[in-house]
Amino acid sequence: QQQVKQSPQSLIVQKGGISIINCAYENTAFDYFPWYQQFPGKGPALLIAIRPDVSEKKEGRFTISFNKSAKQFSLHIMDSQPGDSATYFCAAHGGTSYGKLTFGQGTILTVHP
Amino acid sequence: ETGVTQSPTHLIKTRGQQVTLRCSSQSGHNTVSWYQQALGQGPQFIFQYYREEENGRGNFPPRFSGLQFPNYSSELNVNALELDDSALYLCASSFGGGEQETQYFGPGTRLLVL
Repeated sequence: QQQVKQSPQSLIVQKGGISIINCAYENTAFDYFPWYQQFPGKGPALLIAIRPDVSEKKEGRFTISFNKSAKQFSLHIMDSQPGDSATYFCAAHGGTSYGKLTFGQGTILTVHP
Repeated sequence: ETGVTQSPTHLIKTRGQQVTLRCSSQSGHNTVSWYQQALGQGPQFIFQYYREEENGRGNFPPRFSGLQFPNYSSELNVNALELDDSALYLCASSFGGGEQETQYFGPGTRLLVL
């Protein structure tokens, strides 16, 4: 019940296309859902985050869609660029361990020029 | 504003040894969380420190221990190292002691256990 399931494992998109990454969770005690971007050899960097009382949040080319009843949320990257090529992790905050972020398995995004 | 820093960047140890990793939190932050990231996996929560006390712990054995100092910097100690401890160890800082706060990650320490 503490898991966050992320798909797909890898994604290849052409420059200018839309990248979509999906996550699903079971624990309704999760109270905050961030997305992180990680480049090789670096720590994860916060991209965008959403709280469960909001259905959508947009920041620049990045949008989170949140479906509380389905316990699913997704990241959409519009006009994908080669510089977006990285590993993306969804995460969920809270649950059984206070302060904890539970991460998905990650999606390796490759954007071809 | 100074971001989260970690030291050392890389470390090689042998099985059975002990290791100490260090983290300096971002300016203004009073909470530090530690994560272990195995190759090709998402980070796994080890524990969190808030106001120098452990404030939550993940599914890691007691040989993983930590400290937080009055300046909010932190150490992660791992005793009796095992081969499976080889991973990227990430420190994240935040403000609020576990509330819905954003966690900012450092670059990590890459530990290799031989």
